[in-house]
Amino acid sequence: KNEVEQSPQNLTAQEGEFITINCSYSVGISALHWLQQHPGGGIVSLFMLSSGKKKHGRLIATINIQEKHSSLHITASHPRDSAVYICAEETSGSRLTFGEGTQLTVNP
Amino acid sequence: NAGVTQTPKFQVLKTGQSMTLQCAQDMNHEYMSWYRQDPGMGLRLIHYSVGAGITDQGEVPNGYNVSRSTTEDFPLRLLSAAPSQTSVYFCASSRSRVNTEAFFGQGTRLTVV
Repeated sequence: KNEVEQSPQNLTAQEGEFITINCSYSVGISALHWLQQHPGGGIVSLFMLSSGKKKHGRLIATINIQEKHSSLHITASHPRDSAVYICAEETSGSRLTFGEGTQLTVNP
Repeated sequence: NAGVTQTPKFQVLKTGQSMTLQCAQDMNHEYMSWYRQDPGMGLRLIHYSVGAGITDQGEVPNGYNVSRSTTEDFPLRLLSAAPSQTSVYFCASSRSRVNTEAFFGQGTRLTVV
C-alpha cells in the first residue's frame, strides 16, 4: 500500500477558483516535495519543504509535521494550471515515495 | 542549460529484445535515479546512483541494469524486455541525495509487445 495518500484524485474547477490539494504521509520525513506533471508528461518540481509554508506566485504549499499532512493551494486558478499534481515524501536515506497524483482540470 | 535529457521519447520493443534508455544531465548533479510510472500507481524507484561508479537498487529493480561511468550519464538497460515493463520511464537528478530539488527528464514511453 502506498504510504502517501493524495486527495482528491480528480478535481474540476472554474477559472478563478481557489484550489486545495491534500497529501498525507505515514512516516517521519526529511522533506515533502510537490511536483507538477503536464499533459505530454514532463515533471517539474514546484516545492520542497520540511516545515511551515512556501509561496511561489499563485501557488502556496504548507506542511504540518505533527499531523503528517501537506496542502498545495492555487489561488485565482487558470486553465493553464490544468495538470497532475504529485506529492512525494522524502525519508532519511533520501528515498522518495510518491502519491498517485491529483488530476486538476480548470475550465474557462 | 539542457537540464536532464532522456532519449528516446517513444520506443516499441518486442518481447525479449534489449535496449538502453539514455539519460544525461549537465548540472554536475551527484544523485541520479530512474523511475517508472504506471497507471494508478505513483512513480516507483528502479535504480539510483549517488555518484560516478556507485549504483544501488530501488523498489522495482528486476529486469533492469544501470551503470554510472561519468557524473553526466546514467543509462538504464532492459536486458530482455517483457510486456510488464511497458511503462513511462523518468530519469531524475539532484545536487545531493537529501533535501534538494529534483530535476526530471521528459520521460520515455516504452511499449513491449
